[in-house]
Amino acid sequence: DAGITQSPRHKVTETGTPVTLRCHQTENHRYMYWYRQDPGHGLRLIHYSYGVKDTDKGEVSDGYSVSRSKTEDFLLTLESATSSQTSVYFCATRANSGPPYEQYFGPGTRLTVT
Amino acid sequence: AQKITQTQPGMFVQEKEAVTLDCTYDTSDPSYGLFWYKQPSSGEMIFLIYQGSYDQQNATEGRYSLNFQKARKSANLVISASQLGDSAMYFCAMSSSLSGNTPLVFGKGTRLSVIA
Repeated sequence: DAGITQSPRHKVTETGTPVTLRCHQTENHRYMYWYRQDPGHGLRLIHYSYGVKDTDKGEVSDGYSVSRSKTEDFLLTLESATSSQTSVYFCATRANSGPPYEQYFGPGTRLTVT
Repeated sequence: AQKITQTQPGMFVQEKEAVTLDCTYDTSDPSYGLFWYKQPSSGEMIFLIYQGSYDQQNATEGRYSLNFQKARKSANLVISASQLGDSAMYFCAMSSSLSGNTPLVFGKGTRLSVIA
């Protein structure tokens, strides 16, 4: 357990509204990631961060932005939510060195865009 | 680009029997890491096992072992003595670094159902 929390855990929002999901970790992990999980697709990378203010795009980054101003927080923003962004969003972190080599996952946020 | 293929959408296994979940991968990187995660119906992602591309021996963690066949680019998960609590979705994933700090690429998953 890497002390990862995600907020909110559930959210219903309307098309066109901005939404921000928060990932908070207490382990001082340098590496953080945002994935989305959709049926039939497994998990896909949205954005990732290798440190404060060091972020990069993943496979499905269109419509999303991220910010990391503190080591412990990684924010995912949907600028204008669309129904295609209805998904379960997972944040993950990775320890600064290893082993262990695993990525630790937060509990997920279920987002519904109506 | 890296790719993970899990060809079994769903599988059934009798309690106390062993089961193998298939995973093949594609990468041109010489260094990479392979991971298996379990996702029960409650939704959390649970790390099971890791194999580095240069590891000579198959990884084992309790009832889990990873059958690593590098030439065939396969990384199958073997669960011995299945338990009802093993019923879950299982994901194979890989990173482009041995240390796993690069983002993971996931397969689509295999849903395992353990029958009493």
